[in-house]
Amino acid sequence: SAVISQKPSRDICQRGTSLTIQCQVDSQVTMMFWYRQQPGQSLTLIATANQGSEATYESGFVIDKFPISRPNLTFSTLTVSNMSPEDSSIYLCSVTPTGTVNTEAFFGQGTRLTVV
Amino acid sequence: GENVEQHPSTLSVQEGDSAVIKCTYSDSASNYFPWYKQELGKGPQLIIDIRSNVGEKKDQRIAVTLNKTAKHFSLHITETQPEDSAVYFCAATASDDYKLSFGAGTTVTVRA
Repeated sequence: SAVISQKPSRDICQRGTSLTIQCQVDSQVTMMFWYRQQPGQSLTLIATANQGSEATYESGFVIDKFPISRPNLTFSTLTVSNMSPEDSSIYLCSVTPTGTVNTEAFFGQGTRLTVV
Repeated sequence: GENVEQHPSTLSVQEGDSAVIKCTYSDSASNYFPWYKQELGKGPQLIIDIRSNVGEKKDQRIAVTLNKTAKHFSLHITETQPEDSAVYFCAATASDDYKLSFGAGTTVTVRA
């Protein structure tokens, strides 16, 4: 498995502002993903963070709202831009370690965002 | 894209009894099916998984079965304990894209 650290663990933000969430992994990983979990709901994939290139976004998510960076194989950031109360969710980083045979994916502890 | 349905949404069992959660998937290309346990305030934890070339897998009190023809898979927890209380998510993916599609989740409560 991999040890995944997300920062911050929680935040309360004013509407119209932006928050950048960091995901740091203790080893090189093949794939990094960002998911959103709205209150009491399941997980929805936002995008695949690609190392050295633009992220690949899922339907309903756009780069202007959720810019993502992945400068190396162990680190990624997700920014939630121009926030509104509807963005209040848990944001989760997920990784698939290098050399994984079974496509195992591991999650960070999440960032609990409240927009007021 | 993949659509994963999960039932039931809530499940209450007496300590020591068994719990079963069922999921169906739509994409025949899916070949990897993990199960996650999420405790309050924490991220999802991988507890068991199964690939499409296997019909059943067991790890202590937890087992998963897969019926590829019917496109459904199930999680079985035996001898439930209070610490099994959590939200459980099933997921599916085709291994070539690694993207997970999740079920809606099952809130399991084990009554002491």
